Amino acid sequence: DAKTTQPPSMDCAEGRAANLPCNHSTISGNEYVYWYRQIHSQGPQYIIHGLKNNETNEMASLIITEDRKSSTLILPHATLRDTAVYYCIVRAPLLGTPLVFGKGTRLSVIA
Amino acid sequence: DTGVSQDPRHKITKRGQNVTFRCDPISEHNRLYWYRQTLGQGPEFLTYFQNEAQLEKSRLLSDRFSAERPKGSFSTLEIQRTEQGDSAMYLCASSLDRLAGNEQYFGPGTRLTVT
Repeated sequence: DAKTTQPPSMDCAEGRAANLPCNHSTISGNEYVYWYRQIHSQGPQYIIHGLKNNETNEMASLIITEDRKSSTLILPHATLRDTAVYYCIVRAPLLGTPLVFGKGTRLSVIA
Repeated sequence: DTGVSQDPRHKITKRGQNVTFRCDPISEHNRLYWYRQTLGQGPEFLTYFQNEAQLEKSRLLSDRFSAERPKGSFSTLEIQRTEQGDSAMYLCASSLDRLAGNEQYFGPGTRLTVT
């Protein structure tokens, strides 16, 4: 079973920041937080991951709370092409363990 | 680097037939994963390889499912005696264990329809 909890859906206006929350209260010390997204009928796309520090790349920012029990993925300027299902996953990477997907958050970016 | 590729992209077969899917990972990626995704659900893990060794196969859905990675490069997933319940998207992902995050990169998937 997935170790994360996400809202089933969210809307965001085009050009605004999209903030997607994720709860992972049972995360272990060696587990990272990963975010993937899946645009309709495509394979999941890796977005970002982090352990305990905030992370930023060209796609998004990841904010992890100090107790690591929750995180937020931020898309700073959402576009229509960001409409997708976003998955938050916790995983210990060094063991090569597979990703365990929940149902994710369906983000709809509205013009 | 062209990313993970999968072939075919779509497969329609009749119940009872065997099907085989191919996955070519990103070059130099030593880990390769297979997942299955049904409508409205997140991907579900099936099996994975580190180089040519299959490290986990207990999640394969039945003994009709098998996977190989004979030379540690491409992989095949075979389903024997297909059933209508096998209709799904089959996804392949690869990763490099030297990367700290060991993030997985997915292919476009093979959509199987069993009639």
